[in-house]
Amino acid sequence: DGGITQSPKYLFRKEGQNVTLSCEQNLNHDAMYWYRQDPGQGLRLIYYSQIVNDFQKGDIAEGYSVSREKKESFPLTVTSAQKNPTAFYLCASSIIQGAKGQPQHFGDGTRLSIL
Amino acid sequence: KQEVTQIPAALSVPEGENLVLNCSFTDSAIYNLQWFRQDPGKGLTSLLLIQSSQREQTSGRLNASLDKSSGRSTLYIAASQPGDSATYLCAVRNTGGFKTIFGAGTRLFVKA
Repeated sequence: DGGITQSPKYLFRKEGQNVTLSCEQNLNHDAMYWYRQDPGQGLRLIYYSQIVNDFQKGDIAEGYSVSREKKESFPLTVTSAQKNPTAFYLCASSIIQGAKGQPQHFGDGTRLSIL
Repeated sequence: KQEVTQIPAALSVPEGENLVLNCSFTDSAIYNLQWFRQDPGKGLTSLLLIQSSQREQTSGRLNASLDKSSGRSTLYIAASQPGDSATYLCAVRNTGGFKTIFGAGTRLFVKA
């Protein structure tokens, strides 16, 4: 089945450590996104990518980094500079070409906590 | 700056009741509005997407309406069931940009 796979489901970070969250999609979508969700708040955009080897900062990019070396993959690294990383992280993808109104499809998320 | 608000934050209803969830947005220059469902600890599932030129979309027991001029959308759920219990989020995609702005959601509990 086509879809978006995020791993791991749960992740723990020690202070000063960088951790990487995986996101893979087999939907052949051009665009991919990373969101952060905190309790009682809407999703906030961290980074997005419209094409391989290109990505743009979202609203809360500080302390995060991404890469887009393959169309199917958009990993997110939470660096030690992110002082409050505890949250639920969601990856999404969508079609772009000539279809700005296409829906986003989401993975099942990764819950990151501090040890 | 686009802001999306969902009221109420939480709602509890008895099984079988028809209900309406509300979403409002401050900037009417949107490409589309999307309603999602989120189960606890899970990702978002797209329910309905309304393009800016449309007034409503229907899928089964769900009907979503869009009034761009007033900055409002409603999600109508007919004959609610315990399986409808989840958080419902609305999100708007602005024109002139690539971002989607999400509301904080309405947490729905349908009692058997």
